[in-house]
Amino acid sequence: SAVISQKPSRDICQRGTSLTIQCQVDSQVTMMFWYRQQPGQSLTLIATANQGSEATYESGFVIDKFPISRPNLTFSTLTVSNMSPEDSSIYLCSVEGPGVYEQYFGPGTRLTVT
Amino acid sequence: AQKITQTQPGMFVQEKEAVTLDCTYDTSDQSYGLFWYKQPSSGEMIFLIYQGSYDEQNATEGRYSLNFQKARKSANLVISASQLGDSAMYFCAMRETNVGNQFYFGTGTSLTVIP
Repeated sequence: SAVISQKPSRDICQRGTSLTIQCQVDSQVTMMFWYRQQPGQSLTLIATANQGSEATYESGFVIDKFPISRPNLTFSTLTVSNMSPEDSSIYLCSVEGPGVYEQYFGPGTRLTVT
Repeated sequence: AQKITQTQPGMFVQEKEAVTLDCTYDTSDQSYGLFWYKQPSSGEMIFLIYQGSYDEQNATEGRYSLNFQKARKSANLVISASQLGDSAMYFCAMRETNVGNQFYFGTGTSLTVIP
């Protein structure tokens, strides 16, 4: 299985600021995924990031608000821009495993916006 | 329509007893995968078990087993010999291989193990 780390693990941010979340994988992966989990809710896919191309965003999520970088096959960043309290969530990075159906998640970044 | 339905918001089980967490899914694809994840209060998503749509036998991983009933489109998780550390949120998820890489999650079931 893939080992995924995320930084920071948690943060408290002021309204109107931005936070960049890092995701590091211990092996090369083609696709990386970013999810949001609002308090008491299930996971919602924000975007899919392939190395060397623009991220693909799901309905309701836009690049200006959630810019994503994918500079190589083991690393990605998600920025939450111009934050508001509604952005308070757990943000999770995820990758596919070697098997076509395998999917692994990072430990998550718990963001609180005040 | 919901792709994944978990009808039990909360469940309680006595320590050492078995518990079944329900999950039904909706897809018209023939090829798909079903997953269960555990999310403790720390927030990480821990992969528990996987069942492929073409797998004829129910998946098992230690104390976890997946009761796969394809015709009924259900994929219930059975946890045997519950332990206090099993208290967590449990999410059922599905991935359809013919529709990109979208992963659909249910709303989760909160399991509490009572000593």
